[in-house]
Amino acid sequence: EAGVAQSPRYKIIEKRQSVAFWCNPISGHATLYWYQQILGQGPKLLIQFQNNGVVDDSQLPKDRFSAERLKGVDSTLKIQPAKLEDSAVYLCASSPQSHRGRDRGAYEQYFGPGTRLTVT
Amino acid sequence: AQSVTQLGSHVSVSEGALVLLRCNYSSSVPPYLFWYVQYPNQGLQLLLKYTSAATLVKGINGFEAEFKKSETSFHLTKPSAHMSDAAEYFCAVIPSGAGSYQLTFGKGTKLSVIP
Repeated sequence: EAGVAQSPRYKIIEKRQSVAFWCNPISGHATLYWYQQILGQGPKLLIQFQNNGVVDDSQLPKDRFSAERLKGVDSTLKIQPAKLEDSAVYLCASSPQSHRGRDRGAYEQYFGPGTRLTVT
Repeated sequence: AQSVTQLGSHVSVSEGALVLLRCNYSSSVPPYLFWYVQYPNQGLQLLLKYTSAATLVKGINGFEAEFKKSETSFHLTKPSAHMSDAAEYFCAVIPSGAGSYQLTFGKGTKLSVIP
């Protein structure tokens, strides 16, 4: 079974430029997550999709960040314009369970390798 | 909101020594608890999870964790460290009540293994 794919793996941009990240979840996984991991911290959830609908985007800085999941499969995360503090690793994860599933005990997220963004 | 606290941002052990990484959760109701490992330039991999079925949970790579309600702890241990265990380890929580299924992570503990 192929894992979660992300691209690019590394990106360096100047502040005020735009950047986009792509994620392809594990086939058949209904739920997709984007996390931001700043150096020295744990991942922080930015947005959660269930199929092609947004479940939670309360921690997404919507003035500059946007995300979409067309057709309930691949997803893109965009930053426009980027700031220095956006330098981080952006992780995508997917889960087969519905966010309304009953079996929390079986809950597991599968993570991609991440995209390391450096804003100069 | 429920959270987890990882004591020690950096832990060093000798090869063959006991590994102990600490995690405490903040909740009066036992949540679902997870340990993830992150190797350099890679994503997170699930080591083990507590889902109330058993207090002692065995995971991959010889790791295990014990849920202690009285101490609100879920510490990760391995009897004998191997060089390949050098990585960053994250404790995470999902509240057990109704609502969010989202993971909230601790700040992580970087494990170094000394030959």
